[in-house]
Amino acid sequence: DVKVTQSSRYLVKRTGEKVFLECVQDMDHENMFWYRQDPGLGLRLIYFSYDVKMKEKGDIPEGYSVSREKKERFSLILESASTNQTSMYLCASKVATNTGELFFGEGSRLTVL
Amino acid sequence: QKEVEQNSGPLSVPEGAIASLNCTYSDRGSQSFFWYRQYSGKSPELIMSIYPNGDKEDGRFTAQLNKASQYVSLLIRDSQPSDSATYLCAVNPRDDYKLSFGAGTTVTVRA
Repeated sequence: DVKVTQSSRYLVKRTGEKVFLECVQDMDHENMFWYRQDPGLGLRLIYFSYDVKMKEKGDIPEGYSVSREKKERFSLILESASTNQTSMYLCASKVATNTGELFFGEGSRLTVL
Repeated sequence: QKEVEQNSGPLSVPEGAIASLNCTYSDRGSQSFFWYRQYSGKSPELIMSIYPNGDKEDGRFTAQLNKASQYVSLLIRDSQPSDSATYLCAVNPRDDYKLSFGAGTTVTVRA
């Protein structure tokens, strides 16, 4: 059974804190993605990685960074959390083709106070 | 202009009726299209993939692509309460690894 696991389902952080969101997949997928989902705005791509140590900015990368040191793990980092980063964060992975299905994790709901 | 647009709904249909969802996309060169379903509090899951070689049917679901008009539709026949969810349209606009998602259409099937 394929699985994408996000480390935290719910987090509450304070403005200015550094936040790490971890994502692990067990499907040996090359591509991994971080999206945020907000009401009325749908899924917006923050960053993606097409291979180990490779990363590319998505549509809304400002305020975020990522790390992919191992194939199975893709981390999203908020260097200094702000209230407008309160959101649902979804990690996804897929095989390295343009037709592959995205497999999503359960999501991490982050609240920044 | 957003790359992928959907009516947010909510779309309310009686049980047994047909639910019709539409999605328009801006990049005429897009080659692959997807419908994801997201239940409340859950993550999206793929239900249909459509490529520019015809319509696709899977059980009660039919996906149609109109490249000339740049829209994709999803029909849910014999709608069931279990179909109540948000349906996300996704498009691969540059034939690369990234998908662009619409905001989703929320469907409620009334028993």
